[in-house]
Amino acid sequence: EAGVTQSPTHLIKTRGQQATLRCSPISGHTSVYWYQQALGLGLQFLLWYDEGEERNRGNFPPRFSGRQFPNYSSELNVNALELEDSALYLCASSKNRGLWKETQYFGPGTRLLVL
Amino acid sequence: GESVGLHLPTLSVQEGDNSIINCAYSNSASDYFIWYKQESGKGPQFIIDIRSNMDKRQGQRVTVLLNKTVKHLSLQIAATQPGDSAVYFCAENSNYGQNFVFGPGTRLSVLP
Repeated sequence: EAGVTQSPTHLIKTRGQQATLRCSPISGHTSVYWYQQALGLGLQFLLWYDEGEERNRGNFPPRFSGRQFPNYSSELNVNALELEDSALYLCASSKNRGLWKETQYFGPGTRLLVL
Repeated sequence: GESVGLHLPTLSVQEGDNSIINCAYSNSASDYFIWYKQESGKGPQFIIDIRSNMDKRQGQRVTVLLNKTVKHLSLQIAATQPGDSAVYFCAENSNYGQNFVFGPGTRLSVLP
């Protein structure tokens, strides 16, 4: 069974540009989560999508946004990039079984560098 | 979001010894916990999980202990191997399907 995949693996942008990161969940998983892991810091929750809808977002500005497609893949968009957006962006997926919490499985991440 | 320092706590153990990595969680309402292993340049890898109706769970060479009274979680790795060298994160979840809150991580270094 294929795991969570992310693309690209590395992305270099300049300040003010936009970045688009992509994630494909494990087959059968309907929930996708995005996390930011800045160098030397822990994982910070960004966004949660399930069944095409945004269910929750972390404490990040609106220039961080995304969407989930009918095939459950997801896209994270970061507008007006700032230097401090440089980080490893991790996508995770899980099944959705209602109230029963499910394990999240992570992809390898996209390393974004903003110059 | 919360922020942590640049210097991760580090645990150094001899190859073959047992390792114990600790995690203090913050929310007494948390009822689901996961340990992840993250190797350099890779995404976190699921190791083992435990729900709050249990206080111990065993996997292959790993054991997770949960003490809800003091809000403490530990990961025990038996016969630590060089391949176990990584950063280990605990994660807690208290709300339906919402984000996990991750601890700051502990770097495990296995000495030959």
